[in-house]
Amino acid sequence: KAGVTQTPRYLIKTRGQQVTLSCSPISGHRSVSWYQQTPGQGLQFLFEYFSETQRNKGNFPGRFSGRQFSNSRSEMNVSTLELGDSALYLCASSLQRATPTDTQYFGPGTRLTVL
Amino acid sequence: DQQVKQNSPSLSVQEGRISILNCDYTNSMFDYFLWYKKYPAEGPTFLISISSIKDKNEDGRFTVFLNKSAKHLSLHIVPSQPGDSAVYFCAASDWVNTPLVFGKGTRLSVIA
Repeated sequence: KAGVTQTPRYLIKTRGQQVTLSCSPISGHRSVSWYQQTPGQGLQFLFEYFSETQRNKGNFPGRFSGRQFSNSRSEMNVSTLELGDSALYLCASSLQRATPTDTQYFGPGTRLTVL
Repeated sequence: DQQVKQNSPSLSVQEGRISILNCDYTNSMFDYFLWYKKYPAEGPTFLISISSIKDKNEDGRFTVFLNKSAKHLSLHIVPSQPGDSAVYFCAASDWVNTPLVFGKGTRLSVIA
């Protein structure tokens, strides 16, 4: 079974631009969660989508948004990029809702650099 | 406010010895804890977990200990192998809010 895939793997943008990242979950998985990883803050939860609905949201500004499609694929969008948005963005999928006992499988991440 | 703290950014251990990675938490509502391992250029992978009704969970070379009164958990790796060299993340959840809260990670280097 193929794992979680994320595209693109690397991105370089400039301040003020917007970016869209894509995540394809493991086949059959219905929940997709997004995390931001930075050296100073570790992994921070952005949001979770299940059945095309946002089920949970972390403490991030409204510039960060996402969506999930009927095939469970998910995209996240960051508008008006700031230097501090430079990070590794990780996507994780799970079979059902992302409860602690439903193992989350992570993709390799998208490395975003904002100049 | 960091609810899950991994105070050691890095740890070096000789091959064959025990590795002990520590994690402290502040939210007393947390009742499920997990450890993830991350290699460079890969996403984190689930390693082992423990619920608050237990104080120990073992899986092969990996054992997690939970001390609820001290709000402390630790991951023991015995014996340590060079392939264990990775960043280890501690995570916690209170079930109600569901999203995992991660620590900043500890980089383990196992030296041959």
